[in-house]
Amino acid sequence: EIALTQSPGVLSLSPGERATLSCRASQSVDTNSLIWYQQKPGQAPRLLIYGASTRATGIPDRFSGSGSGTDYTLTITRLEPEDFAVYYCQQRDTFGQGTRLEIK
Amino acid sequence: EVQLLESGGGLVHPGESLRLSCAASGFTFKNYGLSWVRQAPGKGLEWVSAITSSGSTYYADSVRGRFTVSRDNSKNTIYLQMTSLRAEDTAIYYCAQRGIARVPTALTWWGQGTLVTVSS
Repeated sequence: EIALTQSPGVLSLSPGERATLSCRASQSVDTNSLIWYQQKPGQAPRLLIYGASTRATGIPDRFSGSGSGTDYTLTITRLEPEDFAVYYCQQRDTFGQGTRLEIK
Repeated sequence: EVQLLESGGGLVHPGESLRLSCAASGFTFKNYGLSWVRQAPGKGLEWVSAITSSGSTYYADSVRGRFTVSRDNSKNTIYLQMTSLRAEDTAIYYCAQRGIARVPTALTWWGQGTLVTVSS
């Protein structure tokens, strides 16, 4: 079974800064199956990116995904106050443990 | 607008059973697969089960043999029958739509979840 490791566990940044979140798989995965979600406190997750780099409907273009093989990245340019949340990557039936993006 | 409404959660004792429901609206239900994902208090996401549009079912190792997912297209509803519940099954249970054909595991819409607590 493939394991996904997200880093860092906690990322402290200020609004306007750029965030780079990593998701590393224990073995190479199909790029098409790499997915990112955002979850805010008390809310259900929201789909951000699928197929490693395709933004879901309604997701602002400050969110972008990239990567292949075992290494994937979610980048958020120019952080907005509403972007501070927990982010999860997913590959098939496996989720990463999440990265909490907090305001510095 | 897609809506998913989970119900059936509650407090049960270890070893007991519970059935969760997820009522869907806003899309052609019979054409989509759905999944159950759970989140223990303060923890991350854990995929639990999935049912495809054709009725094929899939389970996480942690629940296989204890949980059963089913669907009723006439009621636009899926169910999760949970038996032999354990303390470690305590979580918010979300149902979610598998909405992207080329990436069937991508969960496009989520319900707000229902809390299951297993405690003596």
